[in-house]
Amino acid sequence: EAAVTQSPRNKVAVTGGKVTLSCNQTNNHNNMYWYRQDTGHGLRLIHYSYGAGSTEKGDIPDGYKASRPSQENFSLILELATPSQTSVYFCASGDVGGVTEVFFGKGTRLTVV
Amino acid sequence: GEQVEQRPPHLSVREGDSAVIICTYTDPNSYYFFWYKQEPGAGLQLLMKVFSSTEINEGQGFTVLLNKKDKQLSLNLTAAHPGDSAVYFCAVRPGTGSNRLTFGKGTKFSLIP
Repeated sequence: EAAVTQSPRNKVAVTGGKVTLSCNQTNNHNNMYWYRQDTGHGLRLIHYSYGAGSTEKGDIPDGYKASRPSQENFSLILELATPSQTSVYFCASGDVGGVTEVFFGKGTRLTVV
Repeated sequence: GEQVEQRPPHLSVREGDSAVIICTYTDPNSYYFFWYKQEPGAGLQLLMKVFSSTEINEGQGFTVLLNKKDKQLSLNLTAAHPGDSAVYFCAVRPGTGSNRLTFGKGTKFSLIP
């Protein structure tokens, strides 16, 4: 069974603080993704990666950085958190191409106060 | 880029009734189609994946129809039961190039008590 693990599951951060959301996958997938989910917007892609050392901008990258130090790990970094970044964040992994499935973690609920 | 419109945003039916969720996409190059189910507090679970070449796919308690001419993908839930209550998302991906998924905004599905 494919596994994508996110940590922490819940986080409260202060405005202007640094937040790091972590994601680990044991699927040996090349591609990893970070999405945020907001009511009325569905899932929107923030950053993604094709493999260790690679990060690519998604549709809404402003205010976020990503890091892919290894095949298994993909982090999302908020250098200066703002209340507008309060959301539920999902990490996902998938293999390249075709009808291959993308597997999601259980999400991280981030509240910036 | 690809845009996916999903409707309705909310859907309530009585137990045993059927229901339809429709997604309309814009990119004629979209080739792979997915339906995900998200239960409260959980991540997204794959319900079904569909190739562009197959127009009808059946699962347990639901049918997915693909109308390439109208660029529409539908999820037909038959005989709704309590376990169907969730948010449903469609997602599309092109046949070549980017491996990125574009999601609809989701449909919150519930049973009328």
